[in-house]
Amino acid sequence: KAGVTQTPRYLIKTRGQQVTLSCSPISGHRSVSWYQQTPGQGLQFLFEYFSETQRNKGNFPGRFSGRQFSNSRSEMNVSTLELGDSALYLCASSRTRGADEQYFGPGTRLTVT
Amino acid sequence: GDSVTQMEGPVTLSEEAFLTINCTYTATGYPSLFWYVQYPGEGLQLLLKATKADDKGSNKGFEATYRKETTSFHLEKGSVQVSDSAVYFCALDLASGGSYIPTFGRGTSLIVHP
Repeated sequence: KAGVTQTPRYLIKTRGQQVTLSCSPISGHRSVSWYQQTPGQGLQFLFEYFSETQRNKGNFPGRFSGRQFSNSRSEMNVSTLELGDSALYLCASSRTRGADEQYFGPGTRLTVT
Repeated sequence: GDSVTQMEGPVTLSEEAFLTINCTYTATGYPSLFWYVQYPGEGLQLLLKATKADDKGSNKGFEATYRKETTSFHLEKGSVQVSDSAVYFCALDLASGGSYIPTFGRGTSLIVHP
């Protein structure tokens, strides 16, 4: 069974630009969560989507947004990029909600210059 | 708020040594507890979990027991292998009002030498 895929794997953007990251969950999984991983802050929860609705949101500014499509694929958008947004962005999917049985993708490495 | 504290790494061991990675948590309710592992160049994988007090999660020779009295979920393995070299994350997930907010520790890097 195919795992969670994330595109692109690497991205370099300039301050002030916006970026969209994509995540395709495992077939049959309806929950998609996004995380930001940095050396300083570790792994931080951004938001969770289930059945095309945002169910939870972590403590991030409104520049971070997302959506989920009817096929459960999800996108995450960051507007007005800042240097501090440089991080590995991980997507995880699960059949049900919560951290139980989450399957993580390899991540998108975003560098903001 | 909820939090997870893991021991600082890296933890460096020789093959066949005993491993303990400490994890303690703070939560207002009764969370589920997890250990995830991230091998070099790969995404996180669920290693084991425990959903209530005194439960023991186990997988691939790793074990962790949910200790409510000490709010701990320490990861142990009796004999590590070079292939266990990875970063290990302790996490909790607490349902509150229909929401789940996963909280992860900072991760502990394990390096196993032959």
